[in-house]
Amino acid sequence: ETGVTQSPTHLIKTRGQQVTLRCSSQSGHNTVSWYQQALGQGPQFIFQYYREEENGRGNFPPRFSGLQFPNYSSELNVNALELDDSALYLCASSLAGTSRTNEQFFGPGTRLTVL
Amino acid sequence: GNSVTQMEGPVTLSEEAFLTINCTYTATGYPSLFWYVQYPGEGLQLLLKATKADDKGSNKGFEATYRKETTSFHLEKGSVQVSDSAVYFCALSDYFGNQFYFGTGTSLTVIP
Repeated sequence: ETGVTQSPTHLIKTRGQQVTLRCSSQSGHNTVSWYQQALGQGPQFIFQYYREEENGRGNFPPRFSGLQFPNYSSELNVNALELDDSALYLCASSLAGTSRTNEQFFGPGTRLTVL
Repeated sequence: GNSVTQMEGPVTLSEEAFLTINCTYTATGYPSLFWYVQYPGEGLQLLLKATKADDKGSNKGFEATYRKETTSFHLEKGSVQVSDSAVYFCALSDYFGNQFYFGTGTSLTVIP
């Protein structure tokens, strides 16, 4: 069973640029959630995708957008990067079903630095 | 709105000491509550969960009880080990499981 993988591991961008982060969910999982974790803070929920549709969203502006593909992998896109977007971006996958508390499995994260 | 507040760290304990990490929450409806752990150099992983009032989650000697009357979900362990050194995050999800809120994390160091 393959776990959650994310790419790239590290990324450096400049203010105003756009970035795409990628996530492959754990085998058999159909739901992907994205989080932003600033240094020394807890993860902040960005949004969740279920069956290729956005299924929930946290308090992030529209320049944070996402996609989920038929194989349940996912992308996080951030436009017009700001310095405060520098953080660790975590992807978590789960299997949505009759249980609303299915465990989320987290990837190792992508460290984004905006200069 | 929903939120989670957990005790500030870092926490340093001697091996075999009793551990409590406080967590309180604000939520509408009927959230589910979780404790996640992040060991050094590893990703976040679920430690335990509780889905309704008075439920007790337990795993690896850790326990937490969902207290609706005090809106709390404190993490406890009777005797910590060096291997428990990690960062612990309290979290909640809304009833439908499509909104999640994490606390800021509490760093625990257990010394021999």
